[in-house]
Amino acid sequence: RKEVEQDPGPFNVPEGATVAFNCTYSNSASQSFFWYRQDCRKEPKLLMSVYSSGNEDGRFTAQLNRASQYISLLIRDSKLSDSATYLCVVNPSTRGGGNKLTFGTGTQLKVEL
Amino acid sequence: EAQVTQNPRYLITVTGKKLTVTCSQNMNHEYMSWYRQDPGLGLRQIYYSMNVEVTDKGDVPEGYKVSRKEKRNFPLILESPSPNQTSLYFCASSPGVLNTDTQYFGPGTRLTVL
Repeated sequence: RKEVEQDPGPFNVPEGATVAFNCTYSNSASQSFFWYRQDCRKEPKLLMSVYSSGNEDGRFTAQLNRASQYISLLIRDSKLSDSATYLCVVNPSTRGGGNKLTFGTGTQLKVEL
Repeated sequence: EAQVTQNPRYLITVTGKKLTVTCSQNMNHEYMSWYRQDPGLGLRQIYYSMNVEVTDKGDVPEGYKVSRKEKRNFPLILESPSPNQTSLYFCASSPGVLNTDTQYFGPGTRLTVL
């Protein structure tokens, strides 16, 4: 079983749609969780951190369910510019081992007119 | 401008010819790391460094070496490249070693080994 699993997509949605991605992780001791965005052939960039209480940043909402070991990302009113690959990222480190990130393979989103 | 730079951005080489990919950050970050990205496998960590002269293996270290003689630089060395090291490589840095610290990625180096 992969440490972090995502549906690869692609998700093709019309502009203005609401779309949700889920991600599951296998290490129950994982401490930190993130969503990164990666445009084609470019570097990943942090979209948002994910907290147990859930967090929102404009049109983006992230949720964490520790009991079920999954993370979600909701994008409301999607824009053409949201087209990208969304990477679910887990940091299992508690101490030592530094700031290691474990990446899912990504979910591709295509927003269309 | 705060950034992570990598050079070269693109490289085509032949099996067995030693190469170095440089990585430099101007943010005085303690933590630096190298990842490779392959289709269907996502990004996987090769090596990381928590500070100067402190380096350790990630998930896929075979065939790679690193050094951290200065805080800002973290070169990736392939002593004898092989075709299975053809990949997209990213260097990353973060301010500290806490698991909550944001990592900043360089623009990537696309390596082809023939």
